[in-house]
Amino acid sequence: SQQGEEDPQALSIQEGENATMNCSYKTSINNLQWYRQNSGRGLVHLILIRSNEREKHSGRLRVTLDTSKKSSSLLITASRAADTASYFCAPVRGGTSYGKLTFGQGTILTVHP
Amino acid sequence: DAGVIQSPRHEVTEMGQEVTLRCKPISGHDYLFWYRQTMMRGLELLIYFNNNVPIDDSGMPEDRFSAKMPNASFSTLKIQPSEPRDSAVYFCASSIISGRAYNEQFFGPGTRLTVL
Repeated sequence: SQQGEEDPQALSIQEGENATMNCSYKTSINNLQWYRQNSGRGLVHLILIRSNEREKHSGRLRVTLDTSKKSSSLLITASRAADTASYFCAPVRGGTSYGKLTFGQGTILTVHP
Repeated sequence: DAGVIQSPRHEVTEMGQEVTLRCKPISGHDYLFWYRQTMMRGLELLIYFNNNVPIDDSGMPEDRFSAKMPNASFSTLKIQPSEPRDSAVYFCASSIISGRAYNEQFFGPGTRLTVL
């Protein structure tokens, strides 16, 4: 399956703390993407990391990728209440499946003010 | 850019009725995706199109569901007849992939469907 599995299912932290979410997958990939979903809204693309990259930063986000372990992590530093949302990873295969994303159940992050 | 536009935002209907959901992708995007999200099953890919042609409809739950993309700026997802178990939030997303090295998707706000 191309689907990523996020861990933990839920994470509750205080504002200012760091939040780390993990993603595991089973197939070889072309890239892996992270998305955020605020309650009642559509998903928003956060960051993409290619299979030949090991780490990528975007603002307060840091993504790592370990293709040997077929895993990725998303770190949100100095979290804010506005970061409260569900976070999904989407591993992307190449070839004919290139356009297709398959999402797991996500990690529900709650940041308490 | 207005982003992906979906209509209606909310739909309440009775079992057995036909439901049509609409999507306008971002101009210039060559891929369009339909998803369904429920608490029980999460976010499921139903079908996706490339240049208006259906590529993979393996996620369409049954024959009651159909999707069309008559042109690059419009797609519909139809459920006929609708059933209570079809109640969900339906998302449309678009992406531009051809000639690019990466393929992030842009999601619409969703249509919340309730079938009574």
